[in-house]
Amino acid sequence: ILNVEQSPQSLHVQEGDSTNFTCSFPSSNFYALHWYRWETAKSPEALFVMTLNGDEKKKGRISATLNTKEGYSYLYIKGSQPEDSATYLCAHGASYDKVIFGPGTSLSVIP
Amino acid sequence: DAGVIQSPRHEVTEMGQEVTLRCKPISGHDYLFWYRQTMMRGLELLIYFNNNVPIDDSGMPEDRFSAKMPNASFSTLKIQPSEPRDSAVYFCASRQQGIYNSPLHFGNGTRLTVT
Repeated sequence: ILNVEQSPQSLHVQEGDSTNFTCSFPSSNFYALHWYRWETAKSPEALFVMTLNGDEKKKGRISATLNTKEGYSYLYIKGSQPEDSATYLCAHGASYDKVIFGPGTSLSVIP
Repeated sequence: DAGVIQSPRHEVTEMGQEVTLRCKPISGHDYLFWYRQTMMRGLELLIYFNNNVPIDDSGMPEDRFSAKMPNASFSTLKIQPSEPRDSAVYFCASRQQGIYNSPLHFGNGTRLTVT
């Protein structure tokens, strides 16, 4: 993996379904892995920043895990609600200060 | 705190004109980033500063693009001359220094349209 990749590109789920997305990043030169939520017509807002292998973060119904050795992170949303509809971005801190974003996963939650 | 402030929110200009985008970071944040969002490339890092000094400008697409940070509370991104393919949303973000696990705080973006 040379760049930050995210899958799937887009996702449509029914209200109440649980879902998850994947972020893949270069496992070398790892400093941090960020997750952001980006609603239409707004700016990205930080959900989590993780730095340690095996790290798990949780914020309400949203949680994330990190595997730095194999270069991936998962974002989970439990019991999706329409207000969860947004683009979810992950970003790789490949150096102390440089942050590179993936293309994002667009989530639509159907009521 | 007012957050990161960008101006203008929207800019429409004709090809060949000079465009200047402005950003005021959060007070106390020592890193400032400029990103460009397009459908093709997503959120693309253009340049970032630390303590007003440009650290990495490898993402700046061409010599037509330049960025400055004359002081800790102000940065500009200039495009001269502008071209239709520069049309995009340009985001500024700031971050605390010394904490590599601190998140980025984004402004509301400037939507640039070059006709």
